[in-house]
Amino acid sequence: GAGVSQSPSNKVTEKGKDVELRCDPISGHTALYWYRQSLGQGLEFLIYFQGNSAPDKSGLPSDRFSAERTGGSVSTLTIQRTQQEDSAVYLCASTDPPYNEQFFGPGTRLTVL
Amino acid sequence: GENVEQHPSTLSVQEGDSAVIKCTYSDSASNYFPWYKQELGKRPQLIIDIRSNVGEKKDQRIAVTLNKTAKHFSLHITETQPEDSAVYFCAARETNAGKSTFGDGTTLTVKP
Repeated sequence: GAGVSQSPSNKVTEKGKDVELRCDPISGHTALYWYRQSLGQGLEFLIYFQGNSAPDKSGLPSDRFSAERTGGSVSTLTIQRTQQEDSAVYLCASTDPPYNEQFFGPGTRLTVL
Repeated sequence: GENVEQHPSTLSVQEGDSAVIKCTYSDSASNYFPWYKQELGKRPQLIIDIRSNVGEKKDQRIAVTLNKTAKHFSLHITETQPEDSAVYFCAARETNAGKSTFGDGTTLTVKP
């Protein structure tokens, strides 16, 4: 079946603009994660959704970052007033149940000029 | 919260040699330990995982060992091949918490 998809694959924006990144998880997966990966670095946890529970937002680096998951499926990560340090690859992953393998999407490469 | 340390950050071996990557974790409640491989420009993919009720798991040339008392686990790759060259990430997770904490990654280079 279809894997995790993300859009756009690449996004170039100007400093100060808002951006929205989209993640379509594998159908039926109840858990969804967002990570940030800077060039040559590891995976930095951002936020985790599990079913109808309140999301774990403990990894969001600032209040400019927010995410939502509508209808328990598609998720959108929003970055407001982007800064150059926000430049990175943003990866989404899903799993079902939450203690099994995470399936990653291809990522969105964000470049803030 | 959980803290995962991964060593070494880079590893270079000759084709056919073995490679070992080690991770330590801090939270004794963690009970699921996956390893992911990320090739250049691609997404991470699970290569092997282990749960806290076993000490070792093997899949062909890849094995993972877990020492719960010492809170460390290791990835072993035998008979390395050039296509094993990639970045490898370990992670630790408490089953009911859902959130995974990843190590910083090890860049493995296998020289032909």
